[in-house]
Amino acid sequence: EVQLVQSGAEVKKPGESLKISCKAAGYNFLSSWIAWVRQEPGKGLEWLGIVYPAGSDTRYNPSFQGQISISADRSITTAYLQWNSLKASDTAMYYCARRVGSAPYYYMDVWGRGTMVTVSS
Amino acid sequence: DIQMTQSPSTLSASVGDRVTITCRASQNIYNWLAWYQQKPGKVPDLLIYDATSLKTGVPSRFSGSGSGTEFSLTISSLQADDFATYYCHQYYDYPATFGGGSKVEIK
Repeated sequence: EVQLVQSGAEVKKPGESLKISCKAAGYNFLSSWIAWVRQEPGKGLEWLGIVYPAGSDTRYNPSFQGQISISADRSITTAYLQWNSLKASDTAMYYCARRVGSAPYYYMDVWGRGTMVTVSS
Repeated sequence: DIQMTQSPSTLSASVGDRVTITCRASQNIYNWLAWYQQKPGKVPDLLIYDATSLKTGVPSRFSGSGSGTEFSLTISSLQADDFATYYCHQYYDYPATFGGGSKVEIK
């Protein structure tokens, strides 16, 4: 069974750094892109960016570029989403998801359960 | 960015109703569109990909149609388990984008 297991909820202060994780199991981690998606409380879905674990290639939504960093460690089949300096507006649920499809058109078929990040002074 | 516009944003319907949600792309995305269902407090769940392909295990009352810039998701006979928010998602171009969501409520 394909599974994406995300790290637990975080409560941080503005200006702090944070790295959340998404551990993949049940498929070849190197063969699929991993996407990160944000959902602010009561709002819709926003695509943040992607990482290709085999080569660590990344692509970012320009709206979020420079604010986040996405990476992967293939030795432990884990993808990451990182902030160097959190803002209150980063408060949201963050999902990782596996991308599948016909190159180069990939949709997200399996999602993690989400990591809730709360940024408050 | 490609803008995805869903309508209606909220829909009130009864069990057994036929329900259609539409999604319009700001430019041609061919058939590179997916539909997701999200229930309150839950993870988005893939229903349809490549505009018309039903994910294995999804009930056949769900169907997708369209290509180019106009798409729709139809539930042929609404069931109690279908009350949720539905999102369309284009993956033709970067950044991938989502529609704003269509909430299906109990009438």
